Amino acid sequence: DTAVSQTPKYLVTQMGNDKSIKCEQNLGHDTMYWYKQDSKKFLKIMFSYNNKELIINETVPNRFSPKSPDKAHLNLHINSLELGDSAVYFCASSQGPVQTQYFGPGTRLLVL
Amino acid sequence: GENVEQHPSTLSVQEGDSAVIKCTYSDSASNYFPWYKQELGKGPQLIIDIRSNVGEKKDQRIAVTLNKTAKHFSLHITETQPEDSAVYFCAASLGGSQGNLIFGKGTKLSVKP
Repeated sequence: DTAVSQTPKYLVTQMGNDKSIKCEQNLGHDTMYWYKQDSKKFLKIMFSYNNKELIINETVPNRFSPKSPDKAHLNLHINSLELGDSAVYFCASSQGPVQTQYFGPGTRLLVL
Repeated sequence: GENVEQHPSTLSVQEGDSAVIKCTYSDSASNYFPWYKQELGKGPQLIIDIRSNVGEKKDQRIAVTLNKTAKHFSLHITETQPEDSAVYFCAASLGGSQGNLIFGKGTKLSVKP
């Protein structure tokens, strides 16, 4: 039973392309997150949704747009991909804000 | 901005020894402090957490201590085993109700058999 799942696991694409990463959680949680982990392993929050509403929107380029069709899903769409977008993107979920966060396995994005 | 400092960045111990990782945080309103273990190619996994109304918490070989006055917290792993080898992250919640976690930069722990 996968609690937090992401697809795809690997994503290799060319600069300028548009891509999406999908996330689903089956824990019944109300809050979902997107994190970016760079090559130095630094984890930084990008977005957070609570009950399908955006509650955290860190300083990320507006080429990144999250979408939450329902409480169990939080997708990340990236327009006009750049080399610097190469990283591992993690989805996470929690029962609510300031509760234990459970991470997905990550999506490894490589922009060529 | 608010930040979390984590030390050391790398730690190598012999199997059976103890390992200690320390973190300091800057936001005095932080009230939730989780620790995550990340194995190669996997997502971070929560191993223990502590809230600001508790000074210490233990779970088998793992313990966390919190000193709110000094704004630092530590992870203690006793009787280390090779499978403890991983990158460990501390985190602190930002003040407020949004639940934003600020992560330390990680400690790569190597346990030598």
